[in-house]
Amino acid sequence: EVQLVQSGAEVKKPGESLKISCKGSEYSFISYWIGWARQTPGGVLEWLGIIYPGDSDTRYSRSFQGQVTISADKSINTVYLQWSSLKASDTAMYYCARREGGSYDYWGQGTLVTVSS
Amino acid sequence: DIQMTQSPSSLSASVGDRVTITCRASQGIGNDLGWYQQKPGKAPKRLIYAASNLQSGVPSRFSGSGSGTAFTLTISSLQPEDFATYYCLQHNSYPPTFGQGTKVEIK
Repeated sequence: EVQLVQSGAEVKKPGESLKISCKGSEYSFISYWIGWARQTPGGVLEWLGIIYPGDSDTRYSRSFQGQVTISADKSINTVYLQWSSLKASDTAMYYCARREGGSYDYWGQGTLVTVSS
Repeated sequence: DIQMTQSPSSLSASVGDRVTITCRASQGIGNDLGWYQQKPGKAPKRLIYAASNLQSGVPSRFSGSGSGTAFTLTISSLQPEDFATYYCLQHNSYPPTFGQGTKVEIK
């Protein structure tokens, strides 16, 4: 069965950097876009961006352009979401999801990122 | 970005009730909409894709309808395991955008 497995929870201080991961298995990893979404503590879901692991074509949502970097390493079936300087407002649960036929069918289990001094 | 307005934000219902949740798009999105169920501490799970297609393995009491700007998720007979938060997600225009969610609680 298709699986997306994300890296574990992180606790960071403002200004620190972070890279979280999402590893796909049991499907042709390079053939499907993978997106990143976040869920705030209040439950609001927002889309950050998507990447096509086959050629690393990447698109960002306007609100997150320049705030995060999405990358992929197709040799190990993994996509990444990274921050160079975290803010308290980045505290959220982050999900990766596979795009199939436009919609998003399989989701990772989520990575909780907490940014606090 | 396309705005998705979901209603109600919460509802209380009993086991066996028929439940309807609505999403409206700020512009036409064809049938490029999915419905997701999320339980506490879990990732969203797709129930419906392309507005009205039931995801494999999802009980037939769930159904979706609509196109253009107005969409509906219906649970024909609410079961105990259906108490959760439901979200719509449009993918017609980038970026994908979610509704605000509907929390279905036990009456």
